[in-house]
Amino acid sequence: QSVLTQPPSASGTPGQRVIISCSGSSSSIGSNYVYWYQQLPGTAPKLLIYRNNQRPSGVPDRFSGSKSGTSASLAISGLRSEDEADYYCAAWDDSLSVSLFGGGTKLTVL
Amino acid sequence: QVQLQESGPGQVKPSETLSLTCTVSGGSISSYYWSWIRQSPGKGLEWIGYVDYSGTSNYNPSLKSRVTISVDTSTNQFSLKLSSVTAADTAVYYCARGLVPTARFDYWGQGTLVTVSS
Repeated sequence: QSVLTQPPSASGTPGQRVIISCSGSSSSIGSNYVYWYQQLPGTAPKLLIYRNNQRPSGVPDRFSGSKSGTSASLAISGLRSEDEADYYCAAWDDSLSVSLFGGGTKLTVL
Repeated sequence: QVQLQESGPGQVKPSETLSLTCTVSGGSISSYYWSWIRQSPGKGLEWIGYVDYSGTSNYNPSLKSRVTISVDTSTNQFSLKLSSVTAADTAVYYCARGLVPTARFDYWGQGTLVTVSS
């Protein structure tokens, strides 16, 4: 039911900047805040970005979020090996009345 | 610090009902919204539904006919029941604290794997 579309994979070398995209619709991203989650291997997802571009306490400022229209993106700068994880975007959908998640992007640090 | 812990059987037979409980500690369940989210092996996340402290619930339409989420404020717990399960319901089930109507889930349980198998 992933109506939020993410690339399945992304990669970068240490120190690089990587951007992960998330595409939705007018009833999801176009009308609501976007959230990003980081899931390290074998662990529960962790809230990384809320309200499009806000970081919870403890999240490094290397992580940033943005939204434009019906799309959003997560940028990770100064890539580190510990950033290797799955990243999910999420948004409420007014038409479906559900919380939607993207299919996830697996980030590999080369 | 709010903590959530899932509990329940790790295996359920096909056509039976999956039942899980989430215990909330470090905070009252009498605020916020409490959700269940699942992740099939090697797959992405799927929101199942939520309940609030008053018992008001909302479910993903794709599962609505089979799902019941309830709350017990006296024990600071909320529960999931998923009926008529099949192998497609095999997943790690997470409970989470959230805000509605948003996709913000700021505290998660560690997750529990439920396998549907005879």
